[in-house]
Amino acid sequence: GAVVSQHPSWVICKSGTSVKIECRSLDFQATTMFWYRQFPKQSLMLMATSNEGSKATYEQGVEKDKFLINHASLTLSTLTVTSAHPEDSSFYICSASGQSSDTQYFGPGTRLTVL
Amino acid sequence: GENVEQHPSTLSVQEGDSAVIKCTYSDSASNYFPWYKQELGKRPQLIIDIRSNVGEKKDQRIAVTLNKTAKHFSLHITETQPEDSAVYFCAASYIAGTASKLTFGTGTRLQVTL
Repeated sequence: GAVVSQHPSWVICKSGTSVKIECRSLDFQATTMFWYRQFPKQSLMLMATSNEGSKATYEQGVEKDKFLINHASLTLSTLTVTSAHPEDSSFYICSASGQSSDTQYFGPGTRLTVL
Repeated sequence: GENVEQHPSTLSVQEGDSAVIKCTYSDSASNYFPWYKQELGKRPQLIIDIRSNVGEKKDQRIAVTLNKTAKHFSLHITETQPEDSAVYFCAASYIAGTASKLTFGTGTRLQVTL
């Protein structure tokens, strides 16, 4: 149980384009989803927290207009990187947690490369 | 906000030896401390967690200890095996019913040599 998937697993795009990443909880309802970014050989940095049906809460320094998060259902959250630039290249990982649970289950991550 | 420090950044042990990774946290309100194992290019996987109402928890070769007064917690791996080689992250969070954001340590790269 507690499986989280992400799509795509990797994506290469040109500078200036937008990229959408999906995060799905496959066998449970995720009331809360988290989006992290991880640069090579570094730790996971929380970007934002999203609760189903409400606006995401962004961490300090994360531009909400650049990283659009939607959590429209209890099994799906999306992260859209708008007008991507090479410095946005990173490993993006989501995690999900169900109601009355304090455990976060991580997705497999999406490697974004912006040329 | 919460700040988590983790040491050492790299650790090399021989197969069969024990490995210890230590973390300290700054926010005394934190009450949930998970440990994650991440292999290269893969997702972090929860290996053990501890809540602030206990001082120690063990699961086979893995144990975690928590000292609330000193605000530090440690991961202990005994009888290490090559498949234990990975990056380990500690994290801290304040939980009040449902999941709350995790603050991660900087990670420890564990290498188990034959």
